[in-house]
Amino acid sequence: SQQGEEDPQALSIQEGENATMNCSYKTSINNLQWYRQNSGRGLVHLILIRSNEREKHSGRLRVTLDTSKKSSSLLITASRAADTASYFCATDAWNAGGTSYGKLTFGQGTILTVHP
Amino acid sequence: NAGVMQNPRHLVRRRGQEARLRCSPMKGHSHVYWYRQLPEEGLKFMVYLQKENIIDESGMPKERFSAEFPKEGPSILRIQQVVRGDSAAYFCASSLPGQGQETQYFGPGTRLLVL
Repeated sequence: SQQGEEDPQALSIQEGENATMNCSYKTSINNLQWYRQNSGRGLVHLILIRSNEREKHSGRLRVTLDTSKKSSSLLITASRAADTASYFCATDAWNAGGTSYGKLTFGQGTILTVHP
Repeated sequence: NAGVMQNPRHLVRRRGQEARLRCSPMKGHSHVYWYRQLPEEGLKFMVYLQKENIIDESGMPKERFSAEFPKEGPSILRIQQVVRGDSAAYFCASSLPGQGQETQYFGPGTRLLVL
């Protein structure tokens, strides 16, 4: 899988259900970020989790990070029709100087459709 | 605090023309990044700039593409002699400097169509 590859590619659920999206990556990372993109629009930052963190919450969002498996998951609880969007994970790697490269590597995204 | 601003939002060019895309980062942000998104794909990094410096241009094609972030004014992504394959959405992002400030805030994008 590519650096920051999401799974599944598409997910269709009913309002009120939970949605889980997974992301796998290949290289060591500084942090991993999740973004949402509505059709034809820009990206909205959802949450950032650092390499030394295992879980993070923000409202209805829960992100986990397993650096041993090089994977992350995004859980959206009690989904709403307004959550319909594409979701991308993006990784930020360390450089030799011990700081962030600054460039994000994105996956292909998961298209989430929440039916009312 | 206004977000990242990009203009134009849509740009149509004929093959061989030049495209200039502008990005104004969020207030206080001195780091700017440009990404390109092809239809149905994720974003691909192009270039990372700080004021008056190109930090990393490893994702930018060697020919026809250039970027700058002058001391005053917006960051500019310039594509010379555009070809149909340049049609894409181009997103700019900005961030604060320093460790712990890695969150990148994205603009709405410029959708370039080359006829």
